[in-house]
Amino acid sequence: GAVVSQHPSRVICKSGTSVKIECRSLDFQATTMFWYRQFPKKSLMLMATSNEGSKATYEQGVEKDKFLINHASLTLSTLTVTSAHPEDSSFYICSARPHENTEAFFGQGTRLTVV
Amino acid sequence: RKEVEQDPGPFNVPEGATVAFNCTYSNSASQSFFWYRQDCRKEPKLLMSVYSSGNEDGRFTAQLNRASQYISLLIRDSKLSDSATYLCVVKRGGSYIPTFGRGTSLIVHP
Repeated sequence: GAVVSQHPSRVICKSGTSVKIECRSLDFQATTMFWYRQFPKKSLMLMATSNEGSKATYEQGVEKDKFLINHASLTLSTLTVTSAHPEDSSFYICSARPHENTEAFFGQGTRLTVV
Repeated sequence: RKEVEQDPGPFNVPEGATVAFNCTYSNSASQSFFWYRQDCRKEPKLLMSVYSSGNEDGRFTAQLNRASQYISLLIRDSKLSDSATYLCVVKRGGSYIPTFGRGTSLIVHP
């Protein structure tokens, strides 16, 4: 079946540094990918929609200059958390779907800890 | 009111029990419905889609009630391995963005 791969699965970084998370669709092309953040015991919250070849669409309250999204190809989207702070520590998950009405496949998630 | 609401639980049940979760949605234009399962510190995985006529997959039964705007998930003969968080997902017609409920935690004990 369709697979979405996310890397890294876990990262610890110092405050003020930037962290890049990759999301790849392995056996299908995804013109659109989604980035979510999940705090403990909370729901997945959509951060932004990544569009291949164009700017990402950010949800209200999400800083686009802090969470940089690049969707350079039909199989790769990256999320860069710039100048990370401890409050950015969270579980970040990407998803993509082969077609609009099919199920969404999720990456394995990235657990970011900012110290 | 949140677009998708779920009772967070936890639901604590013994093995073999039958347990049911409900999920309400506020947007009547919603057209696609899913249940996802998420294990601790893992990504969500599709458990089953929810069809208008209701559908069953082994021990799992999903129902949709459009009039009352809720979907349900019934798990029969609970197993220890069913312990997880169950996420209700709703997608509006014409939108490609799914909306997630906060999830319902299920703990099945021996």
